[in-house]
Amino acid sequence: EDKVVQSPLSLVVHEGDTVTLNCSYEVTNFRSLLWYKQEKKAPTFLFMLTSSGIEKKSGRLSSILDKKELSSILNITATQTGDSAIYLCAVAAGTASKLTFGTGTRLQVTL
Amino acid sequence: GAGVSQSPSNKVTEKGKDVELRCDPISGHTALYWYRQSLGQGLEFLIYFQGNSAPDKSGLPSDRFSAERTGGSVSTLTIQRTQQEDSAVYLCASSLMSGAYNEQFFGPGTRLTVL
Repeated sequence: EDKVVQSPLSLVVHEGDTVTLNCSYEVTNFRSLLWYKQEKKAPTFLFMLTSSGIEKKSGRLSSILDKKELSSILNITATQTGDSAIYLCAVAAGTASKLTFGTGTRLQVTL
Repeated sequence: GAGVSQSPSNKVTEKGKDVELRCDPISGHTALYWYRQSLGQGLEFLIYFQGNSAPDKSGLPSDRFSAERTGGSVSTLTIQRTQQEDSAVYLCASSLMSGAYNEQFFGPGTRLTVL
């Protein structure tokens, strides 16, 4: 059974701090890893990482895929209160189109 | 519309009743997915549709759950004889095509509460 584990479960930081969120996976025939941000209800897409694209960056957010360690990190620099959300990691594997999600990391950024 | 829409946004029902949840995918997206998110849990895959192909129902938790997609667009998820453990947020997503390299775009979800 495919498995995705995220850590930490929750995190409280001060505005301006840098945070690193972790995602590890155990799947058969890895295809892609996706990061989503969930503020209220709808998860919004952040990044997709694959064997041909192991590093992505957008503004203060960046992500790296380590296929050897079967893991990924999501970095957020100079955090802002608007970064407060649940960050979800998901993996697509094999021929299936479905995503297997981790339970998420709840990030709270305080003033 | 610009994004995936779902209705209703909230649904409260009594145990034993049937409910129908609706999803309108992004126009032109051929793949549609249903997930559910229980309190403290990650998103759990339920079912997905790709074009006119037979749906992948491998995530449906019981035969009380069913879904259909009419005309390759709108989808309805039906839960019969609802139980309290069905209480969750039901999220729909769509992607341009199915496959591991097509990001899925999510709707706002329907929060289902079974009393």
